[in-house]
Amino acid sequence: QVQLVESGGGVVQPGRSLRLSCAASGFSFRTFGMHWVRQAPGKGLEWVAYISYHGGSRFYADSVKGRFTSSRDNSKKTLFLQLNSLETDDTAVYFCVKVDSDGWIDHWGQGTLVTVSS
Amino acid sequence: QAVVTQEPSLTVSPGGTVTLTCGSSTGAVTSSHYPYWFQQKPGQAPRTLIFDTTHKHSWTPARFSGSLIGGKAALTLSGAQPEDEADYYCLLSYRASFVFGTGTKVTVL
Repeated sequence: QVQLVESGGGVVQPGRSLRLSCAASGFSFRTFGMHWVRQAPGKGLEWVAYISYHGGSRFYADSVKGRFTSSRDNSKKTLFLQLNSLETDDTAVYFCVKVDSDGWIDHWGQGTLVTVSS
Repeated sequence: QAVVTQEPSLTVSPGGTVTLTCGSSTGAVTSSHYPYWFQQKPGQAPRTLIFDTTHKHSWTPARFSGSLIGGKAALTLSGAQPEDEADYYCLLSYRASFVFGTGTKVTVL
């Protein structure tokens, strides 16, 4: 079955960087686009980024554009999110989210918590 | 960036019917926004219920249905069960961007 396991979260100071990973299994990772979505503690969901199956198309929310970069290694079935110039408002659980063969969102990972604090 | 608005909270009786709506600050929601609906229970990741306005995944219970009503996307729960108590979020597509709704807390009581 589809499994998405995020890792790389932790506590980081403002202005620093962090790289999140999402290990995929149970499906042909190289053929599906992926999203990142985040959720601040006690708050709603916020779309962060999308990357196409080949990595050639990438889209970002205005709130992270220029600071976050999504990438993928299809040979390792892993999705990445590089978080630079972190701000306290970036504190959230970050979910990786798969799309199906028609591009529709289907499965979600369990998320990894990023806390930005001095 | 667009603001997508949902009812903050709704209550439904067991076995009853409730409709959640999802509106956009940019105007009427249409099928070109490809509306999604997600369910999230406390401490869990969200689960996709509805995509492309009306379509269900294989795991979506039949009592959930999606539609467009009065210029908004809508999620109707018919025959509410105690396990349907959760937060529900819509998601709309805007060209190369996506915006989640503010979320609706549904209580089954």
